[in-house]
Amino acid sequence: GENVEQHPSTLSVQEGDSAVIKCTYSDSASNYFPWYKQELGKGPQLIIDIRSNVGEKKDQRIAVTLNKTAKHFSLHITETQPEDSAVYFCALNEGGGNKLTFGTGTQLKVEL
Amino acid sequence: ETGVTQTPRHLVMGMTNKKSLKCEQHLGHNAMYWYKQSAKKPLELMFVYSLEERVENNSVPSRFSPECPNSSHLFLHLHTLQPEDSALYLCASSQGAGGPYEQYFGPGTRLTVT
Repeated sequence: GENVEQHPSTLSVQEGDSAVIKCTYSDSASNYFPWYKQELGKGPQLIIDIRSNVGEKKDQRIAVTLNKTAKHFSLHITETQPEDSAVYFCALNEGGGNKLTFGTGTQLKVEL
Repeated sequence: ETGVTQTPRHLVMGMTNKKSLKCEQHLGHNAMYWYKQSAKKPLELMFVYSLEERVENNSVPSRFSPECPNSSHLFLHLHTLQPEDSALYLCASSQGAGGPYEQYFGPGTRLTVT
């Protein structure tokens, strides 16, 4: 199956700084790339997604960029706040279908 | 809240027990999923149901038995589990299974097998 590499595995930033998480993949048929945030004791929450017909999408402090040629996509969080502390997962759809393959997660800690 | 609920939230069972996990979605979706989340590993897709028909079985051992009586409810029946089956079991739903559609997750059931 598809392999998604996610980096870094842990990320610590100061409040107000930006955070960037990157995922790389190999399946050129993938055309849907969601990002999930998982807080302690909760299920993953979809925070933003991008489809292959666009290169960037923004929603307030969160943005996702996609480079289909290089096969990588990134999550950008600006002006980080303590409530952004969580585990973030990237995912993509294998073979362009509905089956999602997930990265291994990034533990983001926003320090005061 | 995502509109997907799961019960129980925590479950401890012995290896000879039989138990069931329940999932309900209030989003009017037609597809439902079971995932397994273990520490230090990516989420693993277990089963996919579309309009109550199983469309994916991701090489899951037969000690896990899913059931989807209607498009709003999904069960995972467990029997003779192993300690390595201890994990967070997540249910998700989406508009359909043809995709790609956004998948919305429930809070999960934390399962411990003793």
